[in-house]
Amino acid sequence: KAGVTQTPRYLIKTRGQQVTLSCSPISGHRSVSWYQQTPGQGLQFLFEYFSETQRNKGNFPGRFSGRQFSNSRSEMNVSTLELGDSALYLCASSLAGQGAEGYTFGSGTRLTVV
Amino acid sequence: KNEVEQSPQNLTAQEGEFITINCSYSVGISALHWLQQHPGGGIVSLFMLSSGKKKHGRLIATINIQEKHSSLHITASHPRDSAVYICAPKGAGGTSYGKLTFGQGTILTVHP
Repeated sequence: KAGVTQTPRYLIKTRGQQVTLSCSPISGHRSVSWYQQTPGQGLQFLFEYFSETQRNKGNFPGRFSGRQFSNSRSEMNVSTLELGDSALYLCASSLAGQGAEGYTFGSGTRLTVV
Repeated sequence: KNEVEQSPQNLTAQEGEFITINCSYSVGISALHWLQQHPGGGIVSLFMLSSGKKKHGRLIATINIQEKHSSLHITASHPRDSAVYICAPKGAGGTSYGKLTFGQGTILTVHP
């Protein structure tokens, strides 16, 4: 079965712009979660969506937002980009995001803000 | 103090050696994941544990819920095992509920 697909793989944006990243989960998976990875902070949880609803949120400013569509595909948006937003953004999908379920990660989108 | 502490941060081994990576966490968890990340960024989930021990090929993962500690072992290490290994507990309650938190990762290099 197809894995988790993230697009685009690479992105270069200018400070102040906004960006939208996409994540298509494994077929049948209804939970999509997003993570930011930087050399300084490591991996950090951004948010999780289930059935088109944000169920969980990490400690990020309101410039970071997301949504989930009825087909479980998810997008995340970062507005007013800052240099510090340069990172690898990863999404992961699971059946329902409950307890001891496994996660499948996408390959990530590498965002560079200049 | 971080919620998740991994050790060691860097590990260099010769091919064939037995490897252990440790993870201690402070929050109540519903499960703990061990992740592998190769250069280029892709993450693979190696194990998901909620109790006891799991084995997959040369990899073994254990967890002690009472002591809030997990270990990842690699028997007969091989250069292709060179990667970053990340411990990721999933919160079970309070503000951590449903969230994955992450250790800082262990960079493993296995020399032939």
